[in-house]
Amino acid sequence: GAGVSQTPSNKVTEKGKYVELRCDPISGHTALYWYRQSLGQGPEFLIYFQGTGAADDSGLPNDRFFAVRPEGSVSTLKIQRTERGDSAVYLCASSRLARADNSPLHFGNGTRLTVT
Amino acid sequence: KQEVTQIPAALSVPEGENLVLNCSFTDSAIYNLQWFRQDPGKGLTSLLLIQSSQREQTSGRLNASLDKSSGRSTLYIAASQPGDSATYLCAVRPNTDKLIFGTGTRLQVFP
Repeated sequence: GAGVSQTPSNKVTEKGKYVELRCDPISGHTALYWYRQSLGQGPEFLIYFQGTGAADDSGLPNDRFFAVRPEGSVSTLKIQRTERGDSAVYLCASSRLARADNSPLHFGNGTRLTVT
Repeated sequence: KQEVTQIPAALSVPEGENLVLNCSFTDSAIYNLQWFRQDPGKGLTSLLLIQSSQREQTSGRLNASLDKSSGRSTLYIAASQPGDSATYLCAVRPNTDKLIFGTGTRLQVFP
């Protein structure tokens, strides 16, 4: 596609529920990143995929968070037993390559998650 | 641990002014530095990417410089316009695969 697409754009859920956030990267981009942005802050790294595998998941805050990219394209970020503190904008980005590369990251518009 | 700081946090100027936004980082071992623009409720748009071996990059009215040894980058915006109003984010890429972002400078350009 023309850009990184994220769905839904907004998600409101009750505390304790399970949510899935989807990211469609730019076609042909090998690397895919998930970031989380709280109000007034810069994005914080969550997880990075090179192809199908999670190359770095050091930013996931706890085991309630999980992400997959089974076919090396679309990725889903999964949050179990949501808490109010999970409320943020979840951003996805992709780039042509990753390691030892100067390809810029291209971001989607994000999914605004609100946990009530 | 790499930390990125942006000054000022907010800036409000009249149209036509030339602006300088500052970004500093604590660890000079970076692979590249990227400047982004973020409009309210939107994702990030990449403006300029400076490789560690480069000193500056230019795109239209934007010029970004990098002084890796002192841990600084500046984004220069010439002849500012109301359409430039947005949050500007600086991000460094250490020798890993993730960007580390500053908290941004919120710019408002009024007519």
